[in-house]
Amino acid sequence: SQQGEEDPQALSIQEGENATMNCSYKTSINNLQWYRQNSGRGLVHLILIRSNEREKHSGRLRVTLDTSKKSSSLLITASRAADTASYFCATSGYNNAGNMLTFGGGTRLMVKP
Amino acid sequence: EAQVTQNPRYLITVTGKKLTVTCSQNMNHEYMSWYRQDPGLGLRQIYYSMNVEVTDKGDVPEGYKVSRKEKRNFPLILESPSPNQTSLYFCASSLSGYAGELFFGEGSRLTVL
Repeated sequence: SQQGEEDPQALSIQEGENATMNCSYKTSINNLQWYRQNSGRGLVHLILIRSNEREKHSGRLRVTLDTSKKSSSLLITASRAADTASYFCATSGYNNAGNMLTFGGGTRLMVKP
Repeated sequence: EAQVTQNPRYLITVTGKKLTVTCSQNMNHEYMSWYRQDPGLGLRQIYYSMNVEVTDKGDVPEGYKVSRKEKRNFPLILESPSPNQTSLYFCASSLSGYAGELFFGEGSRLTVL
């Protein structure tokens, strides 16, 4: 079952602009992670934010977490054509199926040169 | 180089012909997992393993088997593949168990005719 839901499903911007993607989830979590996937390739871990953290930075990436709203956002600043990819949030926590890390449906980001 | 290696990367097979997708990691990770990725459904967990000889079902285990006889290997077995198992499969491993950063393989694209 999908715990996280990304919004928007697709996003198209110009190089140099900022890209913001959102993730909402339903149940309590231990942490939330963001991954990137280039077309047809394996996912690559970007950043992990724990449930007691509110904001985290890594290079041009900024992640926020609002546990009261059960939501997170990923901001990519000064985007580049090479940032074109799908971005997934994944939540860590127990769910009915017993699996521990569940992924959302992803946001497809296109950065036009 | 730290990596998760899957084989084969591409496979076309016919209904009912048993096949195995191998997965090997060289990072001494205890946690390993299999996912399938389908359009509109995101990544869904098939099986996971917390350690050698310890495996458990994920969201969509029907039609699949796994084994974990060695720490580095976690093969996915389709005893009698069916067309609804046509998908992109990913193996992943983690040092920190279910809540940690996942390292993904490059994926195995399987088509069952």
